[in-house]
Amino acid sequence: GNSVTQMEGPVTLSEEAFLTINCTYTATGYPSLFWYVQYPGEGLQLLLKATKADDKGSNKGFEATYRKETTSFHLEKGSVQVSDSAVYFCAQKVSGGSYIPTFGRGTSLIVHP
Amino acid sequence: GAGVSQSPSNKVTEKGKDVELRCDPISGHTALYWYRQSLGQGLEFLIYFQGNSAPDKSGLPSDRFSAERTGGSVSTLTIQRTQQEDSAVYLCASSRLPVGSGANVLTFGAGSRLTVL
Repeated sequence: GNSVTQMEGPVTLSEEAFLTINCTYTATGYPSLFWYVQYPGEGLQLLLKATKADDKGSNKGFEATYRKETTSFHLEKGSVQVSDSAVYFCAQKVSGGSYIPTFGRGTSLIVHP
Repeated sequence: GAGVSQSPSNKVTEKGKDVELRCDPISGHTALYWYRQSLGQGLEFLIYFQGNSAPDKSGLPSDRFSAERTGGSVSTLTIQRTQQEDSAVYLCASSRLPVGSGANVLTFGAGSRLTVL
């Protein structure tokens, strides 16, 4: 089946630290991959996406590269800010078949000044 | 509307009571999804509507859960005879088209937090 596995949180960092949140997937087909972010009190919103192998999605200083060989889509940011504190969700959607995206459990990020 | 609107934002109910949660998607979005977000459990798919097609109900956890979408727009999720394990945040999302090749993404509402005492 299709699934997404994210690293357990919370991840606690100091401001300007380097961030990595790991995400791996299993898919019966060839998925598109997404990172969504949920700020406190808000709904999830798309952060970035990649639709084919070796694509790099980027937004707001965050990056993730679609690695087919390792079935991974790790989220990185070189220098986090307090305002990046949120819950991050990795998701996948396999082309064709069901139109239902599969989400990971979410990883909480806490950034201290 | 400008975004996906959900109501109520918070609902506290007693075990055994029925609750209704409402979702007003973005105008023109044909696809509508309900997910449940429980502490430490991530997002659990519940039900999916696409246009006038029969909904995909494969994620509903029991027959106490049902949903409808009237006129291809507003959706209501109903939970009958609520149980404590139903306590969660219920998220609604909409999309202009089904999430296919990746060109379309989901826009989420802020959620309805349900607490069953």
